Amino acid sequence: DTGVSQNPRHKITKRGQNVTFRCDPISEHNRLYWYRQTLGQGPEFLTYFQNEAQLEKSRLLSDRFSAERPKGSFSTLEIQRTEQGDSAMYLCASSPSTSGGFYNEQFFGPGTRLTVL
Amino acid sequence: AQTVTQSQPEMSVQEAETVTLSCTYDTSESDYYLFWYKQPPSRQMILVIRQEAYKQQNATENRFSVNFQKAAKSFSLKISDSQLGDAAMYFCAYRMDTGRRALTFGSGTRLQVQP
Repeated sequence: DTGVSQNPRHKITKRGQNVTFRCDPISEHNRLYWYRQTLGQGPEFLTYFQNEAQLEKSRLLSDRFSAERPKGSFSTLEIQRTEQGDSAMYLCASSPSTSGGFYNEQFFGPGTRLTVL
Repeated sequence: AQTVTQSQPEMSVQEAETVTLSCTYDTSESDYYLFWYKQPPSRQMILVIRQEAYKQQNATENRFSVNFQKAAKSFSLKISDSQLGDAAMYFCAYRMDTGRRALTFGSGTRLQVQP
């Protein structure tokens, strides 16, 4: 399977615990995006990487959130001291080029659903 | 800031019939792209169709077509000959051609297809 993969698919945790999600983009895709989707809403941008550099973080990404993309390959998103409001689907997407262009499509993974009890 | 509005939370269509999903957006940019994504119950987002803002010709992909009205900032999706497999959440999305190029999504329209 050469698509974007995310693990775990589901995560249930207690409030105050730390969680980490992993995203494996399509091979050689330079850009990697994290989005958060709450129930009944569209995804919202969290942060993105160009290769290993994290170029922008949304205001939605509080200090409890941190993301990395070592060596420009897979990426991790960590949430510290989880809160019930963090419950959501966390989506990862990758795109093949750092340039723009019509066909610079973002390919999405299946997401990680987080439930904070 | 760019915003995308989908005013129809739910739509229903009979199998084999045609349905149109609405989307409006707000931007001060002149170069951008618009997309419709489908998110089936398994929740993996799939690109349905895309449109370049500078192209007046409406995009078409098999049974899916758009009505792009740049001046009105409107971008509707028409699904012809609806099939049961079309049932899903549909999201309208906007992307600039510069900068982070992250997608800005609308809140979605849930499409039900009745047999």
